[in-house]
Formats: sequence, C-alpha cells, structure tokens
Amino acid sequence: EDQVTQSPEALRLQEGESSSLNCSYTVSGLRGLFWYRQDPGKGPEFLFTLYSAGEEKEKERLKATLTKKESFLHITAPKPEDSATYLCAVSGAGSYQLTFGKGTKLSVIP
Amino acid sequence: GAVVSQHPSWVICKSGTSVKIECRSLDFQATTMFWYRQFPKQSLMLMATSNEGSKATYEQGVEKDKFLINHASLTLSTLTVTSAHPEDSSFYICSARDAWASGTSGRRNEQFFGPGTRLTVL
Repeated sequence: EDQVTQSPEALRLQEGESSSLNCSYTVSGLRGLFWYRQDPGKGPEFLFTLYSAGEEKEKERLKATLTKKESFLHITAPKPEDSATYLCAVSGAGSYQLTFGKGTKLSVIP
Repeated sequence: GAVVSQHPSWVICKSGTSVKIECRSLDFQATTMFWYRQFPKQSLMLMATSNEGSKATYEQGVEKDKFLINHASLTLSTLTVTSAHPEDSSFYICSARDAWASGTSGRRNEQFFGPGTRLTVL
C-alpha cells in the first residue's frame, strides 16, 4: 500500500524567511510524485511532477526535489500570497491513482 | 490549458434527496476522471475512478449504490449522491487525466483538479 507522510503539519514563516516542506513516501514502483497547492475552499492546483531521484523543478519561489524516499518543496523568500496548504501525492506503477499526504499548511506573515 | 470545471460549486439539500455534481474537462479529453471527498482539515480521499464508457471502480468502503458515477463522454463525468444524509456533507472534488498527453515526462501522469463542490445536507 502506498503511503505519504508530510511534515510539518503547519509552518509559520515571516515574509522572506526561506524554508522547506518534507514529503516522505513508500510506493511500489514510482510512476510520479506530485506537488499541489490548495487554497481554502478550492480544488488543488498542480505545481510539479517529479519522476526520478535527483530530479529538480522550479517555479517562481518554489523548488521541488526528489530522492528515493522523500521529496522537498523549498520555498525561497516567501510572500504572504504563498500561504496555502501544500499537498504531496504519489502514483505507483500500474495505476494512475494518487495517494495524498495530509498536507502542510503554510502561513507567511507580512 | 488543463482546465477542469465543476457544477454546482455549492449545494444545500434536504436529507433524503439526491444531488448530481458535474465534472467537465474544458480544453482536453479525459478517458479517466477521479472523484475525491475531503472533510474539514483532512486530505483528499479517493472515492472512485471513472472511466469513459465503462463502469466506475470504487474504493473500499465507498457504496456504489449511493454514489452513482457516469462518464458518458470524454469531457464529462457526473457524481450523483442518492438519498443524501447529513453525514454525506463534504467537499467533493473531481480530477481528470489528459487522454492524449504523451510520454512519462509529459502531462500523461498528471491529474488536474476541479474547483470542488461543497455539499451540505440538512
């Protein structure tokens, strides 16, 4: 059974204070690891897909990295508009279904 | 690109009534759509996988006679909550895969989510 654990559950940062979110996973044959952003009362917004260890992807202030056991979402100099819940999900071999972690709620204080 | 819509965005109904939620892929075709349920402060839980032209596959513990899924075209899937009760109140979200995306490095493995439907059963 695929499992995803995200930490911390909540993170409070000052504007401009960089940090990282962690996603640990176990999956039988990784098809892909996905990061989403979810704002309250809305559906998840796609951010990144990572496929193999060592892969990195960037988008504005966000950078996602992947190892064989975990993924990190690095946030550089965050702004208040980066406040959201960040969800990590995996898809294993033979299935396009996603298994989600519980998310990290990020709050960026001006 | 990759826009998914849901209708309605919210609905309030009386206990015992049925509610239909639509999920549409607006700018791509989706052979597979997924339905999730999300309770407050919890993550998304997959309810069922909807395949165009065939029966949906339900996750363990999800009643298929209560949550009817129809995927009649490559751009539309519907979820009907039959005889809704207060415990069915939740945030229902659909997602869709691009049927024609190519390769493992493209959009083929990615799911794009709708904005969600808030269901409140009184």
